Amino acid sequence: DTEVTQTPKHLVMGMTNKKSLKCEQHMGHRAMYWYKQKAKKPPELMFVYSYEKLSINESVPSRFSPECPNSSLLNLHLHALQPEDSALYLCASSPLGQGGTEAFFGQGTRLTVV
Amino acid sequence: DQQVKQNSPSLSVQEGRISILNCDYTNSMFDYFLWYKKYPAEGPTFLISISSIKDKNEDGRFTVFLNKSAKHLSLHIVPSQPGDSAVYFCAAEKGAQKLVFGQGTRLTINP
Repeated sequence: DTEVTQTPKHLVMGMTNKKSLKCEQHMGHRAMYWYKQKAKKPPELMFVYSYEKLSINESVPSRFSPECPNSSLLNLHLHALQPEDSALYLCASSPLGQGGTEAFFGQGTRLTVV
Repeated sequence: DQQVKQNSPSLSVQEGRISILNCDYTNSMFDYFLWYKKYPAEGPTFLISISSIKDKNEDGRFTVFLNKSAKHLSLHIVPSQPGDSAVYFCAAEKGAQKLVFGQGTRLTINP
């Protein structure tokens, strides 16, 4: 199983809503990531979890709150988002250790904030 | 500050010919460079990588060349096939697990 599964595929939420994005992998990878991709832009790293602990936060606003409940799951909790937060949110996982290692990406969640 | 740049937003190549996608970078501290391919409505898929201490890596139809003095790398696809039509992202890694992506190049393979 080389899949990274993200749910939901599409999400529309209001600026006062609270929602969560979910990501799951069963490849035994101990590094998991959240990326944000705006239209016609490259993916931008948001967070990295290593061994279920937050290791990198790329100065992401606190309205985005990541959580890694176990080695297979990664969540992104959303609260009080702005319309400019509308984007494709990509989850990825990879083995830890060696550089240049392939990261496996999910299909993404297309988020629209209204 | 765009540390990884792909200056060609699009490229059109005839089937069977060579596709060459280019990428420039500014940070000489990058350890690895990677190429990803992305189809619409899918996440990026890894293609090939190269260590900063190498100048060439080959995997089947895909070859990546690295010119450190020019801070330039290129991906060669030969022969190009219709299924290669996608957006290609160059990415650079600085420290473990930190990928910086270029803007992408949309490759179209014409029959």
